[in-house]
Amino acid sequence: RKEVEQDPGPFNVPEGATVAFNCTYSNSASQSFFWYRQDCRKEPKLLMSVYSSGNEDGRFTAQLNRASQYISLLIRDSKLSDSATYLCVALPSGGSYIPTFGRGTSLIVHP
Amino acid sequence: DTAVSQTPKYLVTQMGNDKSIKCEQNLGHDTMYWYKQDSKKFLKIMFSYNNKELIINETVPNRFSPKSPDKAHLNLHINSLELGDSAVYFCASSQGLSGGGHGYTFGSGTRLTVV
Repeated sequence: RKEVEQDPGPFNVPEGATVAFNCTYSNSASQSFFWYRQDCRKEPKLLMSVYSSGNEDGRFTAQLNRASQYISLLIRDSKLSDSATYLCVALPSGGSYIPTFGRGTSLIVHP
Repeated sequence: DTAVSQTPKYLVTQMGNDKSIKCEQNLGHDTMYWYKQDSKKFLKIMFSYNNKELIINETVPNRFSPKSPDKAHLNLHINSLELGDSAVYFCASSQGLSGGGHGYTFGSGTRLTVV
């Protein structure tokens, strides 16, 4: 089974810190990648798509490294409200279109 | 306006019962999904429908039967419920099978507890 691996954490950081998560994927046919945020007992919500050239959205930066088959998420100037679980998703193009979710990385931002 | 709505939000039932979960989306998406998130928070796809046609049917017991009456609705019927079926079931939708670059929009989930 093709997998997506994430460090479950928790990552415990103070407000204002910079934190980075990595996510490795084993299916080299994966073409589309996403980061989702899931709060406790809530549904996953799209945080950002991950583009080949890397992309930034405010304090969040996503990178894709195809050679090493990983994606990363960098959060700058962490806020208390960033506390959540961050899920990465890899989706192959064509064929089955079956998305594979990682188990998520838990982030706790404390005062 | 709720984009993807599913009912019920909570479902507690006894083993052996049959239950249904309903899902509706008002985003105009052509693809809908059912996901299961177990106690270890692992989110796994169960089914997907594109324009009412079954596209993905992962290794799911045939006690689970999805039904899509139209593009905006995808229901899930579960027969002979077992303890191991206890989980949170999420409905989701997207434009196109690849998420169209915008990923998947999830409903708020149905927390199923089988006792």
